[in-house]
Amino acid sequence: EVQLVESGGGLVKPGGSLRLSCAASGFTFSSHSINWVRQAPGKGLEWVSSISSSSSYIYYADSVKGRFTISRDNAKNSVSLQMNSLRAEDTAVYYCARRGRDGSKKFDYWGQGTLVTVSS
Amino acid sequence: AIQLTQSPSSLSASVGDRVTITCRASQGISSALAWYQQRPGKAPRLLIYDASSLEGGVPSRLSGSGSGTDFTLTISSLQPEDFATYYCQQFNSYPFTFGGGTKVEIK
Repeated sequence: EVQLVESGGGLVKPGGSLRLSCAASGFTFSSHSINWVRQAPGKGLEWVSSISSSSSYIYYADSVKGRFTISRDNAKNSVSLQMNSLRAEDTAVYYCARRGRDGSKKFDYWGQGTLVTVSS
Repeated sequence: AIQLTQSPSSLSASVGDRVTITCRASQGISSALAWYQQRPGKAPRLLIYDASSLEGGVPSRLSGSGSGTDFTLTISSLQPEDFATYYCQQFNSYPFTFGGGTKVEIK
């Protein structure tokens, strides 16, 4: 069974840092791109970042570029999102999502999400 | 960045109704579009990819169509479990933007 489990969320002050993790199981992790998608309270979905299967290609939304860093460890089946210089508008549930095999145009599995709250 | 505009933003319908949600892209994206369903407090669930391909396990009363800039998600006969929020997402180019969502409520 494919599983994605996020962790690391919590309350942080503006300007602070947080590191999210996404632990994967039940599939060949090194064959899939992994993405982070967030959802502010009561709002819609926002794509945040993507890392390819071998970490060769990394992309960020303009809203987080220069502040967030995505990385992965294929030996540990995990992806991390290092979030620095956090702002109130980064408050959201953060989901990790698997892109379908061979770059298929879908996020076919999602984690349950982890809540990040940026507040003083 | 490619913008996706969903309409309507919300709708009220009854069980058994036919429901259509549209998603319009700010530029052509071929068929690089997916649809998701999200229930309150839950993660999104993939329904449709490549604009019209049904994901495994998704009921056949759901269907997707379109290409280029105009896309639709249709539910042929609304069931109680279909009351949720629906999002489209484009995969033509980064950033992989989402539409604003359509909330389907019970009339």
